[in-house]
Amino acid sequence: DIVMTQSPDSLAVSLGERATINCKSSRSVLDSSNNKNYLAWYRQKPGQPPKLLIYWASTRESGVPDRFSGSGSGTDFTLTISSLQAEDVAVYYCQQYYTTPTFGQGTKVEIK
Amino acid sequence: QLQLQESGPGLVKPSETLSLTCTVSGGSISSSSYYWGWIRQPPGERLEWIGSLSRSGSTYYNPSLKSRVTISVDTSKNQFSLKMSSVTAADTAVYYCARLRWQGGYYFDYWGQGTLVTVSS
Repeated sequence: DIVMTQSPDSLAVSLGERATINCKSSRSVLDSSNNKNYLAWYRQKPGQPPKLLIYWASTRESGVPDRFSGSGSGTDFTLTISSLQAEDVAVYYCQQYYTTPTFGQGTKVEIK
Repeated sequence: QLQLQESGPGLVKPSETLSLTCTVSGGSISSSSYYWGWIRQPPGERLEWIGSLSRSGSTYYNPSLKSRVTISVDTSKNQFSLKMSSVTAADTAVYYCARLRWQGGYYFDYWGQGTLVTVSS
């Protein structure tokens, strides 16, 4: 299995400030035949199921605000929330789908 | 708007079989574009993919659970189901059903609310 490791485990950010979450895979999730990274990001608010934010490492799901962006390639990826809103308090997960799907351990985002 | 809803017992005894059903509304489970599957989240642990069902009825299981898991579909009821045999306390988790987009690999674009299953005597 590909092991996904997120950092930090938690972070506190002021409203309107930038939040950055990192995700590292134990091996590359880049398919060189199509140049696509098989990496998705989710947000899980308290008491709710995860919600898809980004797939192919940087493609926003329909309806997801543009303050969310994904970047990276190969084994190192980043989710950035450009201006943190109160409704962004949640746990964020990365997931690779290059092989048997696996998830990161989650990063908890709180308001400072 | 697509909705998924899990149902089934919240308490299962050790060594018995866990059975859950996911009812899909707002869309057809027979849609040619999507797969369907189950994911679980033990308390304090990361999400774990259990298995998936393709539009042709093919099934795919997490190798770590494959010997104990069966996923099936009932298109007449727009439902799919999970059975997990010989459960132990380690199978205590919130179980989610989800719709999957297959694009050479799959990610999960719609989720049910989840149902907590506790394994205890």
